[in-house]
Amino acid sequence: DGGITQSPKYLFRKEGQNVTLSCEQNLNHDAMYWYRQDPGQGLRLIYYSQIVNDFQKGDIAEGYSVSREKKESFPLTVTSAQKNPTAFYLCATRTFLGNQPQHFGDGTRLSIL
Amino acid sequence: RKEVEQDPGPFNVPEGATVAFNCTYSNSASQSFFWYRQDCRKEPKLLMSVYSSGNEDGRFTAQLNRASQYISLLIRDSKLSDSATYLCVVTQNTGNQFYFGTGTSLTVIP
Repeated sequence: DGGITQSPKYLFRKEGQNVTLSCEQNLNHDAMYWYRQDPGQGLRLIYYSQIVNDFQKGDIAEGYSVSREKKESFPLTVTSAQKNPTAFYLCATRTFLGNQPQHFGDGTRLSIL
Repeated sequence: RKEVEQDPGPFNVPEGATVAFNCTYSNSASQSFFWYRQDCRKEPKLLMSVYSSGNEDGRFTAQLNRASQYISLLIRDSKLSDSATYLCVVTQNTGNQFYFGTGTSLTVIP
């Protein structure tokens, strides 16, 4: 979606390495989310944040960390504790005005070297 | 029990056909409902919201049945470009958490 930028598009991680995925938005949306999608499977929620300096764990937060220091930015760090990080990572945003849907960035594909 | 369940398909239909997908949800307090489309190796994109009275957008019609806890998507006059995976999405409580189905795969055949 326009206004949500994820980078990089492709990322390779070495064993024992932490990597950070970027998600930036200029939509002035309140909430930001990180999902993981494995081949042939649905989206699983990792973390979400409704306001700056606050975030909540989703269903599969172990091995991941996030921060929300600015409204526009919600980076996701995949730590070495995440033993199976290979997946498609999607960032989404949403405004709280009305029952609005989420909008997605174009994703980051993470693989293990 | 999963929050949202969809028939994964695949649905293979000829061009011009009408096809319908259903999606069931488990929480009767669910608030908002959406259909997304996801192309292979791409992000999900919003197709349409689903309103209580049902709604239509061109060849696409969405329905909500709260009594039976399902939503449906009807695609008329299928085009080759409709080939994709269709995800149904449900929100609960304050609407801050979104629950995604695993998707229904559609291939429209020439």
